[in-house]
Amino acid sequence: GQQVMQIPQYQHVQEGEDFTTYCNSSTTLSNIQWYKQRPGGHPVFLIQLVKSGEVKKQKRLTFQFGEAKKNSSLHITATQTTDVGTYFCAGPGASGTYKYIFGTGTRLKVLA
Amino acid sequence: DTAVSQTPKYLVTQMGNDKSIKCEQNLGHDTMYWYKQDSKKFLKIMFSYNNKELIINETVPNRFSPKSPDKAHLNLHINSLELGDSAVYFCASSTGQDNSPLHFGNGTRLTVT
Repeated sequence: GQQVMQIPQYQHVQEGEDFTTYCNSSTTLSNIQWYKQRPGGHPVFLIQLVKSGEVKKQKRLTFQFGEAKKNSSLHITATQTTDVGTYFCAGPGASGTYKYIFGTGTRLKVLA
Repeated sequence: DTAVSQTPKYLVTQMGNDKSIKCEQNLGHDTMYWYKQDSKKFLKIMFSYNNKELIINETVPNRFSPKSPDKAHLNLHINSLELGDSAVYFCASSTGQDNSPLHFGNGTRLTVT
């Protein structure tokens, strides 16, 4: 079945360092979404990418959708302690299934 | 005004018991979901409903029975609870249209002893 993998599974960084998580799908995606889950919280939608090669920025966060629409990345510049959490990518399942398949997640810890 | 609300927040119960989790959304969305998050933080879809109709049952044991009395509610009943059912269960909703984001509830942490 369709799988969405993320690497790394865990990442510890010093505050101020950059961070990147990579997302790879076994199938081509019509779009990809990114979510952030704070410790003890619930996933919160960050952004969606639709076009091949698309790049979007939200302040220190840069999101990219691969040319083949099978991979994506999230890069955080100069991490802060507020960036702590688990970052998930999610891709849609087959048309009409009304489902999003979540990646395995990357847990980010920022050391002050 | 909580958009997607789940109750209870915590649920501790013994093996073999039956329990229910309730979910309500006030976003006017047509599609609702149940996701299970295990101790490794993997988020797995269990069910999706669109306009009260079951769309997806992701090979979930039939001890789990979702019920959607109307578009705004999707409840989850679990029979004969097992240790492996311990997890955080998230309800979510969306418009159901392509590209629409999911809005998650705060989750229900289920512990089976």
